[in-house]
Amino acid sequence: DSGVTQTPKHLITATGQRVTLRCSPRSGDLSVYWYQQSLDQGLQFLIQYYNGEERAKGNILERFSAQQFPDLHSELNLSSLELGDSALYFCASSPSGGGGYEQYFGPGTRLTVT
Amino acid sequence: AQRVTQPEKLLSVFKGAPVELKCNYSYSGSPELFWYVQYSRQRLQLLLRHISRESIKGFTADLNKGETSFHLKKPFAQEEDSAMYYCALLYSSASKIIFGSGTRLSIRP
Repeated sequence: DSGVTQTPKHLITATGQRVTLRCSPRSGDLSVYWYQQSLDQGLQFLIQYYNGEERAKGNILERFSAQQFPDLHSELNLSSLELGDSALYFCASSPSGGGGYEQYFGPGTRLTVT
Repeated sequence: AQRVTQPEKLLSVFKGAPVELKCNYSYSGSPELFWYVQYSRQRLQLLLRHISRESIKGFTADLNKGETSFHLKKPFAQEEDSAMYYCALLYSSASKIIFGSGTRLSIRP
């Protein structure tokens, strides 16, 4: 167990809907990263927050947004959902915002858009 | 542009045989490279990082800047090595990380 928790485990929703995925980092970790893992795209970095501020952006669509709260948990909001958004969404945390630190991954949220 | 390439989607070897999972990267700066592993029904976890120059579970990986490679090797594969392996590049100037598409390693008994 990495200490990173994600809720919900599974989510099934319809196209056009909006969902929120939640991540709680390991105690003491200031950085949260979000990833999307799909069969055809592999593991894609979406966005990183460090101590409440956006630190780095990857291949995140404009329909997606994220935030990190004062208690350091993070939420990933996905809106106007499309079938292609079906994927496993991971969050990871690390102690620092910089490079070289191990990222600790959560178990993921499996999103199915029907 | 930064890129990480894992050319093999699936690698199947017999138990006891040597294993090499290939990873090539494209980055103009000083790279920080990692190997992550995901065992069946478990979370993604760090296997090793090039700056540590360590051997984890018998695996090693050497950064070859000339060939821009960071291949993962193990001399004698074990059945418990079956998993999905991801090579990752961190460009520390931007705190961004790119993962390769992953290689599924299957060890046959």
